[in-house]
Amino acid sequence: GAVVSQHPSWVICKSGTSVKIECRSLDFQATTMFWYRQFPKQSLMLMATSNEGSKATYEQGVEKDKFLINHASLTLSTLTVTSAHPEDSSFYICSARGIGTDSYEQYFGPGTRLTVT
Amino acid sequence: DAKTTQPNSMESNEEEPVHLPCNHSTISGTDYIHWYRQLPSQGPEYVIHGLTSNVNNRMASLAIAEDRKSSTLILHRATLRDAAVYYCILRDDTDKLIFGTGTRLQVFP
Repeated sequence: GAVVSQHPSWVICKSGTSVKIECRSLDFQATTMFWYRQFPKQSLMLMATSNEGSKATYEQGVEKDKFLINHASLTLSTLTVTSAHPEDSSFYICSARGIGTDSYEQYFGPGTRLTVT
Repeated sequence: DAKTTQPNSMESNEEEPVHLPCNHSTISGTDYIHWYRQLPSQGPEYVIHGLTSNVNNRMASLAIAEDRKSSTLILHRATLRDAAVYYCILRDDTDKLIFGTGTRLQVFP
């Protein structure tokens, strides 16, 4: 149980366009979702925390107007990278925890690889 | 955020035990020690966690020093599928996981 999916698994977009990444909890209600970014050969960096029905809390240095996060339901959170640039190319990973899961564990999605050309 | 220090890489042969160390000298009394691992091109997965006592589960064991300033993740018999980056993370009451650099474990047949 406690499966998190992401869509798409990879995406290529042109510089200046926006791209939306979905994160879904398939078999539990995710009261909290987290978004991370990972550059090649580097560790995960927490971008923001979102609670269902509330505005996301962004980590220091993460532009909230560039990385729009919506957590409108207990099973879906979206990350929209607006006006994407090549430096936004990265591996974006979401995680979730919530109702019906072990309180100590975060369940991670498989990640979305974004390439901006 | 409390910081952890891990070796960049370690190697093991298949079927042998692996001890992955982690130093966390600035740990506070309420921080839990969590371990996650990340296989190539995948999201991380939970391995084990503990507060003060040693812990065992089907994946691994966690040995925590008495002063809690260090811990060791033990894989009892490494397999090729255990090759991954292992992250030792201190989790506070904010529930956020702040990943460090981790240890890249290579397992040789």
